[in-house]
Amino acid sequence: NAGVTQTPKFQVLKTGQSMTLQCAQDMNHNSMYWYRQDPGMGLRLIYYSASEGTTDKGEVPNGYNVSRLNKREFSLRLESAAPSQTSVYFCASSEKRQGVLGTEAFFGQGTRLTVV
Amino acid sequence: AQTVTQSQPEMSVQEAETVTLSCTYDTSESNYYLFWYKQPPSRQMILVIRQEAYKQQNATENRFSVNFQKAAKSFSLKISDSQLGDTAMYFCAFMNTGTASKLTFGTGTRLQVTL
Repeated sequence: NAGVTQTPKFQVLKTGQSMTLQCAQDMNHNSMYWYRQDPGMGLRLIYYSASEGTTDKGEVPNGYNVSRLNKREFSLRLESAAPSQTSVYFCASSEKRQGVLGTEAFFGQGTRLTVV
Repeated sequence: AQTVTQSQPEMSVQEAETVTLSCTYDTSESNYYLFWYKQPPSRQMILVIRQEAYKQQNATENRFSVNFQKAAKSFSLKISDSQLGDTAMYFCAFMNTGTASKLTFGTGTRLQVTL
């Protein structure tokens, strides 16, 4: 099972360049998320999508845009990269079941992004 | 807005001993889900244990158990018989039960298991 697949795994950008991080899940989940992980700050939510066609801002949305292309795919775009966006980015998906059993978030392997 | 607080940035425990990681959260909702995730050096996020706030019984998964205190909004993780493979970052997380499934994490606790 592929689960959640994110690409690329590593990327170096120059300040001002743009790029899109791709994420796809094959579990038919409704909810998808983008997080960034920085030392000492845990996982901070950038954007999330509760269902196809909807997106909402998280804690740190500035400098990012997202697209929920369809139920499977949720992409994150950096229009003009800045050194402050150097981080590890995680995509995740989840589905709520009856009660908590079966309710969990599955994560991609992360993208290490460096902006120089 | 919901928030999750982990007040212990780092902890250390000897192999075979027991350690407890703390987590508190803030929410105005009456039902919600709580999770502990483990992140080893490989960066993979692994679910350790989960709890529904509606259920008063504390969840257990083998050597891992939680102490869920709903009134105090506390959700601590106890690891018994610690093993070297438990060395990792541990994150506490909160998910609301509404239509918008927002999942919020704490800042994490780095656990080191020593010989």
